[in-house]
Amino acid sequence: QLHLQESGPGLVKPSETLSLSCTVSGGSISSKSYYWGWIRQTPGKGLEWIGSIKHSGNIYYNPSLKSRATISVDTSKNQFSLKLSSVTAADTALYYCARHNAPFGVVEGYHYFDSWGQGTLVTVSS
Amino acid sequence: DIQMTQSPSSLSASVGNTVTITCRASQYISNYLNWYQQKPGKAPKLLLYDASNLEVGVPSRFSGSGSGTDFTFTISSLQPEDIATYFCQQYDTLPITFGGGTTVGI
Repeated sequence: QLHLQESGPGLVKPSETLSLSCTVSGGSISSKSYYWGWIRQTPGKGLEWIGSIKHSGNIYYNPSLKSRATISVDTSKNQFSLKLSSVTAADTALYYCARHNAPFGVVEGYHYFDSWGQGTLVTVSS
Repeated sequence: DIQMTQSPSSLSASVGNTVTITCRASQYISNYLNWYQQKPGKAPKLLLYDASNLEVGVPSRFSGSGSGTDFTFTISSLQPEDIATYFCQQYDTLPITFGGGTTVGI
């Protein structure tokens, strides 16, 4: 049974960098058909895809984050991570990591988020 | 970005009733649409992919249809455990975007 668990600080100061990790258990992050994604949720903007990465390093980002987001993968730890720089109160959200099932990649064919972590609340405040 | 508009934003129905939610895309997305269920305090759960394909283990009372810009999600016989918020999500064009959600109550 695949399990994803987010970890990281729950409070980040404005202008600083938010850092989260997602540890994957019950499956390999190097599996061929999968990307690994970050999605955040706020009451105001709803669900927002941040980006997805494959173990090979292939990455797709949501341009709305204007290059503030960096996603990386550590296959030795079966983990992937998110860094979001220059945060503001607008980045306060529930952050989810998820398995992005994409057998044909993220730009063609079907793909979907089929397994999610429980989510971690990150508040941006001084 | 492709905007996904769901309606209604909330609804109330009785156990055993049929519930229908619509999702409209701001441009053509073929059948590149997924549906998720989110219960309070929980992460979203995939129910349907490719507009109408049921994820493994999901009850058959959930179904989806549509193509192009207009899509429908149906719960054929509402059960108490179906109380949740439902989201559509398009993947035709990056960035992936989600609808605003429909909260189903009893």
